[in-house]
Amino acid sequence: GNSVTQMEGPVTLSEEAFLTINCTYTATGYPSLFWYVQYPGEGLQLLLKATKADDKGSNKGFEATYRKETTSFHLEKGSVQVSDSAVYFCALSDGTGNQFYFGTGTSLTVIP
Amino acid sequence: DSGVTQTPKHLITATGQRVTLRCSPRSGDLSVYWYQQSLDQGLQFLIQYYNGEERAKGNILERFSAQQFPDLHSELNLSSLELGDSALYFCASSVDLATYEQYFGPGTRLTVT
Repeated sequence: GNSVTQMEGPVTLSEEAFLTINCTYTATGYPSLFWYVQYPGEGLQLLLKATKADDKGSNKGFEATYRKETTSFHLEKGSVQVSDSAVYFCALSDGTGNQFYFGTGTSLTVIP
Repeated sequence: DSGVTQTPKHLITATGQRVTLRCSPRSGDLSVYWYQQSLDQGLQFLIQYYNGEERAKGNILERFSAQQFPDLHSELNLSSLELGDSALYFCASSVDLATYEQYFGPGTRLTVT
């Protein structure tokens, strides 16, 4: 079946540090992969996506590359800011658009 | 603002009761998804509707049901409520089945006492 395994948190970093949040997946077929972000008190927002192997999604300085050989979609940012403090969810779409599978979420706190 | 609206924002009710959560998708979106987010279970997919028809079911209890109306808004009905049903319930919408981005509403926080 389909599933997403995400690095457990919480993660605490100093401002301007490098961020990596690991995400690996199990899927049949040709899934699409996503990162969503949830700021305190809000719903989830799409951060970036990749729809096929070797695609790189990027947005607001965040990047993730769809690696089929390692079944991974790790989220990275070169220099985090306090405003990046949020919960980050890795997600997989099964290719039909019928169902999404979310990771457990990783809480990130960036301190000045 | 994602364009997805959910009401009410907060709901407090007693065990054994029944509640209805409402979701209005973004204008033009045909697909609606319901999720439950709790501290111990994370974000769980419940059910999906597309243009009024049920398309996929996830971890939805038999005490829960949903529907999507002709104007595309959706309602999630939770009955015989238990303490463990306390959670954030999110609705998300997308344009169609082939479009993979989902846009989430702000959620309804349900507290069962």
